[in-house]
Amino acid sequence: RKEVEQDPGPFNVPEGATVAFNCTYSNSASQSFFWYRQDCRKEPKLLMSVYSSGNEDGRFTAQLNRASQYISLLIRDSKLSDSATYLCVVPDGTSYGKLTFGQGTILTVHP
Amino acid sequence: DTGVSQDPRHKITKRGQNVTFRCDPISEHNRLYWYRQTLGQGPEFLTYFQNEAQLEKSRLLSDRFSAERPKGSFSTLEIQRTEQGDSAMYLCARAGTGRTGANVLTFGAGSRLTVL
Repeated sequence: RKEVEQDPGPFNVPEGATVAFNCTYSNSASQSFFWYRQDCRKEPKLLMSVYSSGNEDGRFTAQLNRASQYISLLIRDSKLSDSATYLCVVPDGTSYGKLTFGQGTILTVHP
Repeated sequence: DTGVSQDPRHKITKRGQNVTFRCDPISEHNRLYWYRQTLGQGPEFLTYFQNEAQLEKSRLLSDRFSAERPKGSFSTLEIQRTEQGDSAMYLCARAGTGRTGANVLTFGAGSRLTVL
């Protein structure tokens, strides 16, 4: 099993749609989780941290299910500008800043 | 402005040549990281520094790869005798501050290597 696994997509959705991505991880000891966003040919940028209680930032909601070892990202009211690759990230746990990235899920929002 | 400057942004080289990438965090950061990202994959950890000390190296970092951070500020990543499999984006990153920020990385724009 991969350490961090994501459905690569691509997801093609119309503007205004709600879309959800899931990510599974294998390290049951992981305590913190992140979603990064990466635009084409750009560097990854932090989108959200994922807390045990789940958290919401505007149209974005991240949730964590420790029992099943998966993390989700929900995007409501999709905008054209949401088109990007979304990377699920789990710290390795052995050293700060040593992160394991998923393959990424490609999202395309069309008019 | 990510606070991390990388140079060169693009490098095309022939197989067997040596290449060097440089990373300059704009302000002082104790921890500096190198990651590699190939097409269609997420970034993979290569190595990291705390000040000038290289504390960890991934198995991905073969003997042809060497990284330095001589004065605890800028860092270089050198690849000797490049191979086509080295073609990738090489990303440098700084960590956030405090306990909660230590796992939050801010990446530079990356150095894209193409080995012909």
